[in-house]
Amino acid sequence: SAVISQKPSRDICQRGTSLTIQCQVDSQVTMMFWYRQQPGQSLTLIATANQGSEATYESGFVIDKFPISRPNLTFSTLTVSNMSPEDSSIYLCSVLEGAWILETQYFGPGTRLLVL
Amino acid sequence: QQQVKQSPQSLIVQKGGISIINCAYENTAFDYFPWYQQFPGKGPALLIAIRPDVSEKKEGRFTISFNKSAKQFSLHIMDSQPGDSATYFCAASNRDDKIIFGKGTRLHILP
Repeated sequence: SAVISQKPSRDICQRGTSLTIQCQVDSQVTMMFWYRQQPGQSLTLIATANQGSEATYESGFVIDKFPISRPNLTFSTLTVSNMSPEDSSIYLCSVLEGAWILETQYFGPGTRLLVL
Repeated sequence: QQQVKQSPQSLIVQKGGISIINCAYENTAFDYFPWYQQFPGKGPALLIAIRPDVSEKKEGRFTISFNKSAKQFSLHIMDSQPGDSATYFCAASNRDDKIIFGKGTRLHILP
């Protein structure tokens, strides 16, 4: 299975600032995703990171707030912009590995963000 | 129709007992049903998954039971151990759409 790493693993930030989270995969994958998980809650898909083109955002998430880059098949970044305390959450990178009936989705360890 | 309903929200089981978590779905196009295990401070880890062409899949102490006609699937943890204490998420997807997660079950195994 793909090994996914995220940086930073955690951070404490001041409101109004921005944080960029990096996701690195040890193999080329076709699909990369970014999720948010608020404390004690389920996973909410923010967007699908598309290589070489703009990310596809889910309802309620916009590019100005969560700009995403994906320069190649193993790396992506998520920026949380102009942060507020409501952005305090765990941000998870996820990848889809395999093809057709062997497709499997894996998650990174997460980035724990606290906004003061 | 895109929801996956998971129950119970929390579960306490004695060591050695059987833990059972249930999920139900509406979208008959779903064809992949994974379960994820998440420990505090960690990302979700794929535990076991099933496709609708089989009614049961077993991996060690973990078994998925799948009832296609009832649109339900469940996770059974046999001989539950304190190390199984975690949050479990069921999910469903098809090849053409994103994966849908249940709200999670916080499982606590009493030593």
